[in-house]
Amino acid sequence: AQTVTQSQPEMSVQEAETVTLSCTYDTSENNYYLFWYKQPPSRQMILVIRQEAYKQQNATENRFSVNFQKAAKSFSLKISDSQLGDTAMYFCAFMKHAGANNLFFGTGTRLTVIP
Amino acid sequence: SQTIHQWPATLVQPVGSPLSLECTVEGTSNPNLYWYRQAAGRGLQLLFYSVGIGQISSEVPQNLSASRPQDRQFILSSKKLLLSDSGFYLCAWTRTGTETQYFGPGTRLLVL
Repeated sequence: AQTVTQSQPEMSVQEAETVTLSCTYDTSENNYYLFWYKQPPSRQMILVIRQEAYKQQNATENRFSVNFQKAAKSFSLKISDSQLGDTAMYFCAFMKHAGANNLFFGTGTRLTVIP
Repeated sequence: SQTIHQWPATLVQPVGSPLSLECTVEGTSNPNLYWYRQAAGRGLQLLFYSVGIGQISSEVPQNLSASRPQDRQFILSSKKLLLSDSGFYLCAWTRTGTETQYFGPGTRLLVL
């Protein structure tokens, strides 16, 4: 079974600063996908960034980047130049490469950006 | 462009009453569809997924059922709600053969 662990229930960061959210996962699969989703107060899940396990290069989307360490089964999210709109719950998620593409979620990290 | 709709947005139901939540996707055909539940302060748990009309797979035994009567419509149902069915229900879709899931706005269900 796949498990996803987010060990930081809550974090805060000053506006314009950088913050890193941690995520580890456990799997016996070799090919898979990893995702970070953002859930603002509206509660709609919004995709932030995705990473294919077979790619060594870390994914980047504007101010968001990941540090993917496959051997350590670690997938952290770095948010640069934090903005007030980044305040949200952030969920790390895992998906096997094959099959019906079921997502396995961590329990989330609540991030607060302080003005 | 593709959009995903869920309704109702909020629902308050008594214990023992039936339930029907609807999810529809526009702008694509033959999507994979998913129902998730999020309990308060928790992550999402996959309930059902569907790869085609009439094809439903259940991930968690529970008081709920799902149906896919049309290509872009996914329905979550219950004959008799339990208090433990309260939560936030999210529908998601992917294009067949791709992996990124896109979520709807969700339905907040409170069972009293």
